[in-house]
Amino acid sequence: GAGVSQSPSNKVTEKGKDVELRCDPISGHTALYWYRQSLGQGLEFLIYFQGNSAPDKSGLPSDRFSAERTGGSVSTLTIQRTQQEDSAVYLCASSFFGGAPRAQYFGPGTRLTVL
Amino acid sequence: QQQVKQSPQSLIVQKGGISIINCAYENTAFDYFPWYQQFPGKGPALLIAIRPDVSEKKEGRFTISFNKSAKQFSLHIMDSQPGDSATYFCAASMMSGGSNYKLTFGKGTLLTVNP
Repeated sequence: GAGVSQSPSNKVTEKGKDVELRCDPISGHTALYWYRQSLGQGLEFLIYFQGNSAPDKSGLPSDRFSAERTGGSVSTLTIQRTQQEDSAVYLCASSFFGGAPRAQYFGPGTRLTVL
Repeated sequence: QQQVKQSPQSLIVQKGGISIINCAYENTAFDYFPWYQQFPGKGPALLIAIRPDVSEKKEGRFTISFNKSAKQFSLHIMDSQPGDSATYFCAASMMSGGSNYKLTFGKGTLLTVNP
């Protein structure tokens, strides 16, 4: 497929467990963003990658959240010791710096439920 | 501090009517204003975007009107169709170092178009 893909589509976990969420951006897109969508807070920025580096992590809500990107492609968002307030839809978006860098294309998201 | 305020929260329009959604921003450094459309269970999809050097941009039935002095912009959907029923988000971004164009979103408007 040509779009951004995310896996899993749904994740149910127990409080205190660690989870990993995966994002496959559009091929060739150098910029990658993670956002979180929740009923109370709407869509919030979490972290930005340019290549494999993350110059902006300002949106990560706590040190339980971390992310990495490898090979300038796949990114993984890890949440340690999950809490109920982490329940949300986690969205990944990518854009092409050399083309229209402002246009961000979103994946379908991972719905995380923490019991 | 909510940097992008969106209204109304919900909107019901008859088929063929005009849907109007408004947004206001506070940060004058914002220089790119996209609108996203989101269907249930899907990620946001980029609809149309505008920069502050133009007052209006039209793509098909979708038009953005931009008022730089008032720090407001709006989405107009002409000849609204039941298939337009979705949640619409306005957003804003500015260059935040390098090629970081992270988006700040409004809270969203749930549009229902009745047949």
